[in-house]
Amino acid sequence: EIVLTQSPGTLSLSPGERATLSCRTSQSVSSSHIVWYQQKPGQVPRLLIYGASNRATGIPDRFGGSGSGTDFTLTISRLEPEDFAVYYCKQYHDSPTFLYSFGQGTKLEIK
Amino acid sequence: QVQLVQSGAEVKQPGASVKVSCKASGQSFTGYYMHWMRQAPGQGLEWMGWIYPNSGETRYTQKFQGRVTLTRDTSISAVYMEIHRLTSDDTAVYFCAREEAGTYKYDNWGQGTLVSVSS
Repeated sequence: EIVLTQSPGTLSLSPGERATLSCRTSQSVSSSHIVWYQQKPGQVPRLLIYGASNRATGIPDRFGGSGSGTDFTLTISRLEPEDFAVYYCKQYHDSPTFLYSFGQGTKLEIK
Repeated sequence: QVQLVQSGAEVKQPGASVKVSCKASGQSFTGYYMHWMRQAPGQGLEWMGWIYPNSGETRYTQKFQGRVTLTRDTSISAVYMEIHRLTSDDTAVYFCAREEAGTYKYDNWGQGTLVSVSS
């Protein structure tokens, strides 16, 4: 089973600052299998980035994804008040398991 | 625009089973995988398994293998997640989500169903 480790656990920043969130996988995965979600309290997760670097429909261009192999990054170039939330990365492991797993999440909080 | 509508909150006793439904309105399940996740209070997302409604094929993460059953009823565009032998650790919000086959992304989620396990 592939384990995803997100860091930091909590990130305290101010609006206008740049946020860099990390997602490390225990085995190399295809970048096409990496997805990022945002979740606010009491809400359903929202799709942000798929294929490691592609923004989902309606996602502002201040959100960007990158990475390959075992290291992936979600970057928010200039934080807006509505960006403070929990962010999860997710991976898919192809044959033979065809299973998914989530990282434990990074909480982005206002400093 | 498809909408995934889940069944309502449940309260169960330890040892019981619970079955949560997820129905699609506005579009059929054809060509989509349906996934189930859960989120315990104050915790992160935990992926449980998927079902491919076209064929009924399923996969479960090892933790839930043998205790969770995913099924579907294509005539009403519904999928179901049943957990057996509930314990207090199963208290969580359970989500279904849709993946267009081969895209690995969940672009549509159900609203979540709270399952509480308590004696």
